[in-house]
Amino acid sequence: QQQVKQSPQSLIVQKGGISIINCAYENTAFDYFPWYQQFPGKGPALLIAIRPDVSEKKEGRFTISFNKSAKQFSLHIMDSQPGDSATYFCAATKGNQGGKLIFGQGTELSVKP
Amino acid sequence: ETGVTQSPTHLIKTRGQQVTLRCSSQSGHNTVSWYQQALGQGPQFIFQYYREEENGRGNFPPRFSGLQFPNYSSELNVNALELDDSALYLCASSLGQENTIYFGEGSWLTVV
Repeated sequence: QQQVKQSPQSLIVQKGGISIINCAYENTAFDYFPWYQQFPGKGPALLIAIRPDVSEKKEGRFTISFNKSAKQFSLHIMDSQPGDSATYFCAATKGNQGGKLIFGQGTELSVKP
Repeated sequence: ETGVTQSPTHLIKTRGQQVTLRCSSQSGHNTVSWYQQALGQGPQFIFQYYREEENGRGNFPPRFSGLQFPNYSSELNVNALELDDSALYLCASSLGQENTIYFGEGSWLTVV
C-alpha cells in the first residue's frame, strides 16, 4: 500500500497554543518524510523533513516527531501564530525518488488571535 | 519564492479540448515533477522528467503527457479534457534524484 493518512482534517488553535498534526504510513520502505505548508492560491512550501534514523527534528517553532515502529509521524507547531493559518500536508517517499512524493489529505489549521 | 514559474496561472477549457501547461524550473535543477491537486485534496504525482526523459509515472491515463526541454523547462499536456480534470496543476523542480523539491504557484484549470 502506498497511502499516507493524515489527521485531523481541520484544526483550530488559540494564539500561543500548540498545533499537532498526525500522519500514518503503511509502506515500511518509505525513508523521507517532509511537511509542506500551503497558503490559499499558492503552491506548497517545504517546512521541515525527517529521515527515520532520528526520532525528532526541530527547526524554530516546528518539530517533527517520528515513531518508526508505529509507522507514524507528527508535526508540532509551538507558540502558534495567526500567520501559521494554512493547510499543512505530510508526505512520504522511498529512496532517492527525486520528488515522487505521496501526500496526505491535508489539515486546515486556523489560529485564532 | 522558489524560482519555479508556471504559466498560465488560470485557464478555462471546454470538455474534450486539449491544454498545455508550462513550467520553468529553478536555476540548476534538472528534474521536474508534475502534480495534480483537486480542491480540498493533497497533491497527486502525475509524472517526472529527468534529463528530458520520463522517469516515473503515477496513476494517470495516457492522455496526460509531458515534455522536458534541453533547458529543463517542461510542459504538461492533457488531451480530451474531462470535468474531473479541473484542478490545480503543480510543477516542482529538484536537482537530480534529491527528495527536496520546490513547487511553483500552480496553474488553475477549470473544465466546463
